Amino acid sequence: GAVVSQHPSRVICKSGTSVKIECRSLDFQATTMFWYRQFPKKSLMLMATSNEGSKATYEQGVEKDKFLINHASLTLSTLTVTSAHPEDSSFYICSARDLGGGQEDTQYFGPGTRLTVL
Amino acid sequence: TQLLEQSPQFLSIQEGENLTVYCNSSSVFSSLQWYRQEPGEGPVLLVTVVTGGEVKKLKRLTFQFGDARKDSSLHITAAQTGDTGLYLCAGASSNTGKLIFGQGTTLQVKP
Repeated sequence: GAVVSQHPSRVICKSGTSVKIECRSLDFQATTMFWYRQFPKKSLMLMATSNEGSKATYEQGVEKDKFLINHASLTLSTLTVTSAHPEDSSFYICSARDLGGGQEDTQYFGPGTRLTVL
Repeated sequence: TQLLEQSPQFLSIQEGENLTVYCNSSSVFSSLQWYRQEPGEGPVLLVTVVTGGEVKKLKRLTFQFGDARKDSSLHITAAQTGDTGLYLCAGASSNTGKLIFGQGTTLQVKP
């Protein structure tokens, strides 16, 4: 299957600082990427849809000024958590949509980023 | 709002037993995907089903997509300890490509 990378895999930061997470599709181009948040032993919660060359679409209840998303190229989307607080500590996962040219419309997930805010 | 109900949410069985996980919705999906996730890692795609009534097999795993494309099941035959993990179903919206995730099934296979 297709490969999606995320960097960093884990980050610890102080309260009030900003943290940038990168998501890259390594072997396909993705006009659409998605950002999720996952709490322990829970399912994935969609935060926003990242569209190459246009503004991200945020899910209800997700603060767009706090979670800045940039999709500058067909293989890279970034999520910046601004002015991080301890309640932002979580596992953040991105996915990239591979339209594949066929009938299957599949999302491939990155390995996730564990963010801990002290 | 599209919802996907996944059951059971927790399952603990002995090695060698069979099990089935269900995902049900009142909405129609363009496709449905099953993922398996290990702690601290991202979900790994197991299968995508697209056609109503479709059945796909992956070794000891059998996936079915309902005729109406509203529900799906995952059946594991003769479970092994290596099958332990979080299983997630996700239905895709054809317009947006968004995935609607079920609640997940935490499977523990004991030796």
